[in-house]
Amino acid sequence: AQKITQTQPGMFVQEKEAVTLDCTYDTSDQSYGLFWYKQPSSGEMIFLIYQGSYDEQNATEGRYSLNFQKARKSANLVISASQLGDSAMYFCAMLFNAGKSTFGDGTTLTVKP
Amino acid sequence: GAVVSQHPSRVICKSGTSVKIECRSLDFQATTMFWYRQFPKQSLMLMATSNEGSKATYEQGVEKDKFLINHASLTLSTLTVTSAHPEDSSFYICSARGGVNTEAFFGQGTRLTVV
Repeated sequence: AQKITQTQPGMFVQEKEAVTLDCTYDTSDQSYGLFWYKQPSSGEMIFLIYQGSYDEQNATEGRYSLNFQKARKSANLVISASQLGDSAMYFCAMLFNAGKSTFGDGTTLTVKP
Repeated sequence: GAVVSQHPSRVICKSGTSVKIECRSLDFQATTMFWYRQFPKQSLMLMATSNEGSKATYEQGVEKDKFLINHASLTLSTLTVTSAHPEDSSFYICSARGGVNTEAFFGQGTRLTVV
């Protein structure tokens, strides 16, 4: 079964510091994609970063990087130099060959000034 | 980047009426569209998957006669909530992707309130 686990319901980080949001996944597929989305209080889902299962290098996108450890089946999101606007809910998601996706339960990140 | 436009962003309707939500891919052809429902403070729940030109595949527990999905073209999918009830009040989100194993782009979401 395809499953995403986010073990941190809530996280706090001081402004300008880095934070890591955990994500582990379970799949028997060889080919899959991993995504992180940000959902601010306004509700829209914002795509942040993508990692393909065959990509050897960790994906980076500005202040976001994905720490992909395939053997451990983990895809942690690292946000560097946190900003107040980063306060939001963050979802880890997996896309698998059947064309479907599955989401974790989310982590609420609060950036403190 | 790719843009998915979802309309309306907010809708209030009376119990018993139907509401249609549109999801359009503006600069790419969306071979697959997904419809999600999100309850407050919870993760998204996949309701159904639709491929252009074919019937939608509904997830277990989702009433296909209540949530009608049409994906008539490569740029438009619609979700119609029929005979809406207050328990259907939720935040509905669509996403679209151009091919397998490519990222999905999300619409802005629709807040449905049934009174």
